[in-house]
Amino acid sequence: NAGVTQTPKFRVLKTGQSMTLLCAQDMNHEYMYWYRQDPGMGLRLIHYSVGEGTTAKGEVPDGYNVSRLKKQNFLLGLESAAPSQTSVYFCASSYSMGGYMNTEAFFGQGTRLTVV
Amino acid sequence: LAKTTQPISMDSYEGQEVNITCSHNNIATNDYITWYQQFPSQGPRFIIQGYKTKVTNEVASLFIPADRKSSTLSLPRVSLSDTAVYYCLVGDMRADDKIIFGKGTRLHILP
Repeated sequence: NAGVTQTPKFRVLKTGQSMTLLCAQDMNHEYMYWYRQDPGMGLRLIHYSVGEGTTAKGEVPDGYNVSRLKKQNFLLGLESAAPSQTSVYFCASSYSMGGYMNTEAFFGQGTRLTVV
Repeated sequence: LAKTTQPISMDSYEGQEVNITCSHNNIATNDYITWYQQFPSQGPRFIIQGYKTKVTNEVASLFIPADRKSSTLSLPRVSLSDTAVYYCLVGDMRADDKIIFGKGTRLHILP
């Protein structure tokens, strides 16, 4: 059981280049999230999805796009990378379809992105 | 989503019990309180979750008073490996609440 897998783990981009970060989960979770974390800071929510085919904006969505075409995958796209997008990106998934208790989120190991 | 307030940092010594308090004055009736732990260069990891009174698992205890306006994460007999950032989150995932992290509490365990 792999849990949440992020691809790639490291990437260096030049300003203006585009790229897609892939998040895959094998736990049949409904909810998926993309966060960024800057040095010494907490995690900030970029976009999230409450189910296949749905996406919604988080706290810092500008400059990013997402897609959830398949339940197990959540893609984060940077159309024109900027140095301000240098950060560590974390993907997470969770399951919440009724039940008494809220449920925990499972995180990937992160993608370290540098934009030069 | 209820806003949370935690101490920015705490120091403690190995073997001691550590209590981290989180304030959430605007907690809603259906909100749960969840704590995560994050080690450097890793994603956060779920520690414990509760709604009211006391919850205990193999890692920690969570104390929630009757008014639910605060909660305390208790780590028994900490070790150097407990050095991490601890996040308190409040929300109701059944209402499609977003999982929003604050800055967390940076806990530093000294030998």
